[in-house]
Amino acid sequence: AQTVTQSQPEMSVQEAETVTLSCTYDTSESDYYLFWYKQPPSRQMILVIRQEAYKQQNATENRFSVNFQKAAKSFSLKISDSQLGDAAMYFCAYRRPSGNTPLVFGKGTRLSVIA
Amino acid sequence: EAGVAQSPRYKIIEKRQSVAFWCNPISGHATLYWYQQILGQGPKLLIQFQNNGVVDDSQLPKDRFSAERLKGVDSTLKIQPAKLEDSAVYLCASSLIGGRAFDEQFFGPGTRLTVL
Repeated sequence: AQTVTQSQPEMSVQEAETVTLSCTYDTSESDYYLFWYKQPPSRQMILVIRQEAYKQQNATENRFSVNFQKAAKSFSLKISDSQLGDAAMYFCAYRRPSGNTPLVFGKGTRLSVIA
Repeated sequence: EAGVAQSPRYKIIEKRQSVAFWCNPISGHATLYWYQQILGQGPKLLIQFQNNGVVDDSQLPKDRFSAERLKGVDSTLKIQPAKLEDSAVYLCASSLIGGRAFDEQFFGPGTRLTVL
């Protein structure tokens, strides 16, 4: 079974600074998807960024980028120019490659942004 | 387009009572998921439907939990009788299943259940 580990329960960052959230995963499959989801307090979970395992190039979405190390089974999220609205729980998730398989989540990292 | 709708948003019950949650997925989404998110943990799949059929319910505690999606659209998740350890946020998500390799899952706002 696949597992996802987030070793940082809480992180904090100064506004406008950069922060990196860590995630490792375990799988025996060679093809899969990895995701970072954001869950603001009392609001619904939204997709931040995704990475296909067969792509070597790291995904980027505006201020969010990932460092995908397939051999190390590591998938970290970098948030640049942090904003107050980035404060939330961030979940790393894994999914098998077929179109309608469920997500396997880590325990999450709570990110605080300090003004 | 409208997002995934869930109700109620909050529910407080006593142990051994029953409770039901409702989810209406995004229009046209064939796949519907129910996840349980216990405080301090990531969401965990309870059951997955494709149209009105069950794809995966291996982690659903079937002695007390049941779910249905009779017409392949909205879904109901029921707990009877509830236990203290059922206190959690119950998330509903939906996705298209159109043959593509990737279909994003869209989440509802969740129902926060407190069992006293």
